[in-house]
Amino acid sequence: GAVVSQHPSRVICKSGTSVKIECRSLDFQATTMFWYRQFPKKSLMLMATSNEGSKATYEQGVEKDKFLINHASLTLSTLTVTSAHPEDSSFYICSATENQETQYFGPGTRLLVL
Amino acid sequence: QKEVEQDPGPLSVPEGAIVSLNCTYSNSAFQYFMWYRQYSRKGPELLMYTYSSGNKEDGRFTAQVDKSSKYISLFIRDSQPSDSATYLCAMKGAGNNRKLIWGLGTSLAVNP
Repeated sequence: GAVVSQHPSRVICKSGTSVKIECRSLDFQATTMFWYRQFPKKSLMLMATSNEGSKATYEQGVEKDKFLINHASLTLSTLTVTSAHPEDSSFYICSATENQETQYFGPGTRLLVL
Repeated sequence: QKEVEQDPGPLSVPEGAIVSLNCTYSNSAFQYFMWYRQYSRKGPELLMYTYSSGNKEDGRFTAQVDKSSKYISLFIRDSQPSDSATYLCAMKGAGNNRKLIWGLGTSLAVNP
């Protein structure tokens, strides 16, 4: 149980375009979803926390207009990287929790902005 | 001082060895402790979850928490090459604070 999927797994885009990443909890209802960013050989950096039906809470230093998060249902959250630039290239990972205690992670999305 | 300290390694052991991975923390409010395993280019996978001092065993894995020393450990018995990955500790406080605080991760290589 506790499976989280992410789509796409890898995306390459041109600078200035927007990219949407989907995160789905497949076998449970996720009251809260989290979006992380991870640089090579570095730990996870929390970007934002989203609760179904409400606005996301962004961590300090994360631009909310740059990284748009929508948590439209209890099984789906999306992260849109707007006007992407090469410095946005990274590994983006979502996680979801049902009981507020344990987080289950998706497989991650590798974004490369040319 | 970081809230969670974890030696990034790398740690290299022969197959069959007992592996000990550790994290220390400074915030006494942390009540829940987790160990995740992350293979290269994949999302983290939850291995162990504990919330009290003492040991918790699951197969070849044992998680140990010592709240008085603010120290947690993950032991891997009979290590296998498939255990080669990065192991991250994570912890959080009680109540409505769901944000996890992460260690840097320890890179482990188990050599056949």
